[in-house]
Amino acid sequence: GAVVSQHPSWVICKSGTSVKIECRSLDFQATTMFWYRQFPKQSLMLMATSNEGSKATYEQGVEKDKFLINHASLTLSTLTVTSAHPEDSSFYICSATRDGENIQYFGAGTRLSVL
Amino acid sequence: AQSVTQLDSQVPVFEEAPVELRCNYSSSVSVYLFWYVQYPNQGLQLLLKYLSGSTLVKGINGFEAEFNKSQTSFHLRKPSVHISDTAEYFCAVSHRNDYKLSFGAGTTVTVRA
Repeated sequence: GAVVSQHPSWVICKSGTSVKIECRSLDFQATTMFWYRQFPKQSLMLMATSNEGSKATYEQGVEKDKFLINHASLTLSTLTVTSAHPEDSSFYICSATRDGENIQYFGAGTRLSVL
Repeated sequence: AQSVTQLDSQVPVFEEAPVELRCNYSSSVSVYLFWYVQYPNQGLQLLLKYLSGSTLVKGINGFEAEFNKSQTSFHLRKPSVHISDTAEYFCAVSHRNDYKLSFGAGTTVTVRA
């Protein structure tokens, strides 16, 4: 149990376009979902925390208008990178927690390449 | 706020040899501790966790870790590694009343035949 699916796994887009990444909890209801960004050979940096039905909480330095997060249901959160630029190219990973359990289950990640 | 230090950025090891990955943390409150493994171009897989109880924690794939509160450490060990253990390993900590994780910088384990 506790499977998190992330889609797409790899996306290439032109500069100035927007890209949406989906994160789904397949076999449980996710009370909280997290979005991370990982640069090559580096650790994960938390971007934001999202709870179903409420606004996401962004970490310091993360532009909320740039990285739009929607958590419309207990099994789906989306991250939209708006007006993407080459510096937004990175590996984006989501995770989810089950109610009452302090364990994060991670998706397989999405590699975004902005040309 | 808590922080995590992984003392070794790269650990080369021969197949069937033991390996230890060091992790120290700092926090003013009680924490939960985790080790995750990341294979190339993949997300993170939970290896093991310490939430409470016995300080020696056994995880998947033959890994174990020991929580040492006095030394604020949570070192990961495996007595005999396989080629397939080649991966990036992350130590992480969260507060007991907060699900947010703080990650260490990661340790790259390369297992050679």
